[in-house]
Amino acid sequence: DAKTTQPPSMDCAEGRAANLPCNHSTISGNEYVYWYRQIHSQGPQYIIHGLKNNETNEMASLIITEDRKSSTLILPHATLRDTAVYYCIVRDYNTDKLIFGTGTRLQVFP
Amino acid sequence: SAVISQKPSRDICQRGTSLTIQCQVDSQVTMMFWYRQQPGQSLTLIATANQGSEATYESGFVIDKFPISRPNLTFSTLTVSNMSPEDSSIYLCSVDIYNEQFFGPGTRLTVL
Repeated sequence: DAKTTQPPSMDCAEGRAANLPCNHSTISGNEYVYWYRQIHSQGPQYIIHGLKNNETNEMASLIITEDRKSSTLILPHATLRDTAVYYCIVRDYNTDKLIFGTGTRLQVFP
Repeated sequence: SAVISQKPSRDICQRGTSLTIQCQVDSQVTMMFWYRQQPGQSLTLIATANQGSEATYESGFVIDKFPISRPNLTFSTLTVSNMSPEDSSIYLCSVDIYNEQFFGPGTRLTVL
């Protein structure tokens, strides 16, 4: 079973920051938090991952709370092309398996 | 990164038949994964396929229904056997490279 819970949907205005929350209260010490997104009819696309430190790349920032029980994905300037389903995944570093939850459907509007 | 292709991209099949889906990667990888995505749903892991060993299936999936081959480090096949309309889904393969999983474009299967 997925170890994450996310809101089913969110809206964001174009050009504004999109902040997508994720709860993973049962995360273990060797498990990473991964974020993927799936644009309609395509395979999921990797966004970012982290263990306990905040991470930033060209796509997004990942903020992980100190107790690691929750995290937030930040898209700093959302565009219409960011409309997608965003999946927060807790991944076991030993098995490499990704167990997908239900995700958050982000709708970016003009 | 990795470039992954799947064949066929889509198919419409009759119930009771079988379909083999191919997954080709442009680099050698140890682990490949097969997922199913039913209409309107999230992705569900079917099995993990390592080259040179039997695939490991997740709960609810069995080898007789979803046999997998992994003949080399760049290729894998998933067969959906004795299909029923409930098997209508998108089937995706993925590979793990340096702690990132890259996904293929998927095979959209419709069973009539």
